[in-house]
Amino acid sequence: QKEVEQNSGPLSVPEGAIASLNCTYSDRVSQSFFWYRQYSGKSPELIMSIYSNGDKEDGRFTAQLNKASQYVSLLIRDSQPSDSATYLCAVTSNYGGSQGNLIFGKGTKLSVKP
Amino acid sequence: EPEVTQTPSHQVTQMGQEVILRCVPISNHLYFYWYRQILGQKVEFLVSFYNNEISEKSEIFDDQFSVERPDGSNFTLKIRSTKLEDSAMYFCASEHSTNEKLFFGSGTQLSVL
Repeated sequence: QKEVEQNSGPLSVPEGAIASLNCTYSDRVSQSFFWYRQYSGKSPELIMSIYSNGDKEDGRFTAQLNKASQYVSLLIRDSQPSDSATYLCAVTSNYGGSQGNLIFGKGTKLSVKP
Repeated sequence: EPEVTQTPSHQVTQMGQEVILRCVPISNHLYFYWYRQILGQKVEFLVSFYNNEISEKSEIFDDQFSVERPDGSNFTLKIRSTKLEDSAMYFCASEHSTNEKLFFGSGTQLSVL
């Protein structure tokens, strides 16, 4: 059974701080890794994708991947109250194929306090 | 930004009834998906559809479920005989091609009574 594990939180950080979100996955053949943001009652929205070991930065967001440790993380710098949401880690064994067929974690709820 | 459209936003049905959830993917997209999320639980993959056929399905997607792309624009999920445990938010998603952004619709909240 392929699993993606996340700490459910809630993770509470003050405005302007760095939020660090973590994820581990069980399937060693996993190739593609994604972070989605989901506001309450809404659909998931893609924030970042990462396919190779190391860091990938996009604005205030940095995704980090370590395939040897089967570990993915997301850093959010200068956290804003609007970042308050549940962050979903998702994994697929597809590579060069469709992004879909994702296995999601249960998500970490982030709360950014003004 | 283009959108995946799902209707209805809420569907209430009696146990044992058939329901059809409708989706209009983004027009030039090639891959289509259904996911579901039971309240407070993970988003779960149900089925993927490409080139007018199912490309992959999960264990959840049993004989009670079917998908169809009847007219080149709509993409439907049918549940033949609903169970209480089918109550969930159902998300349709689409993407253009490999490893591009997956667009989710806003979902249909299905309540089976």
